[in-house]
Amino acid sequence: DQQVKQNSPSLSVQEGRISILNCDYTNSMFDYFLWYKKYPAEGPTFLISISSIKDKNEDGRFTVFLNKSAKHLSLHIVPSQPGDSAVYFCAASPSPSGSARQLTFGSGTQLTVLP
Amino acid sequence: NAGVTQTPKFRVLKTGQSMTLLCAQDMNHEYMYWYRQDPGMGLRLIHYSVGEGTTAKGEVPDGYNVSRLKKQNFLLGLESAAPSQTSVYFCASKQLAGSKNIQYFGAGTRLSVL
Repeated sequence: DQQVKQNSPSLSVQEGRISILNCDYTNSMFDYFLWYKKYPAEGPTFLISISSIKDKNEDGRFTVFLNKSAKHLSLHIVPSQPGDSAVYFCAASPSPSGSARQLTFGSGTQLTVLP
Repeated sequence: NAGVTQTPKFRVLKTGQSMTLLCAQDMNHEYMYWYRQDPGMGLRLIHYSVGEGTTAKGEVPDGYNVSRLKKQNFLLGLESAAPSQTSVYFCASKQLAGSKNIQYFGAGTRLSVL
């Protein structure tokens, strides 16, 4: 029973266009969300996060939107670049810096940005 | 900056063999974690540690043991490897507080059990 779901295993986007990656969660105790990016043969690296007290967080080309009532978040990348091609994982936590163990990951979305 | 280092990077085992995966971090982080990544399943937590000398079970602990004898090292052991343990294993670490729950990952160990 996956508590964090990324229903699109893959996404292809043209360079310069917007990439939108989606994530749904079922556990209403989650109130902190993160996106990680993973290149082949490397570990995941932190990209951007958002607390449930916000509905948007922006960092350069990356914006995360949170719709708490729908239990849905999305990552927007504008403009998309070929170097953005990677697997993106959504992760959720009950609190920003609380319990040691609590990061629940989605299954990931492979983003391919076409030149 | 080394960050989180995992050794080995690759390993092939026969069913029933044992091995230990080593994770070392040089960021003085209190928390350390072991995950496995399987196709279509994301990262699943195996065991974690909140400090030197302490360990706890995660979501999928069966068949694994861990030890944290030194703050900077977290070992994952397979006593009797099974084909179901074929996976990519990731170690991660996190600061005690003020870290926004950001975990820092190693590059992974790819394990095949035949």
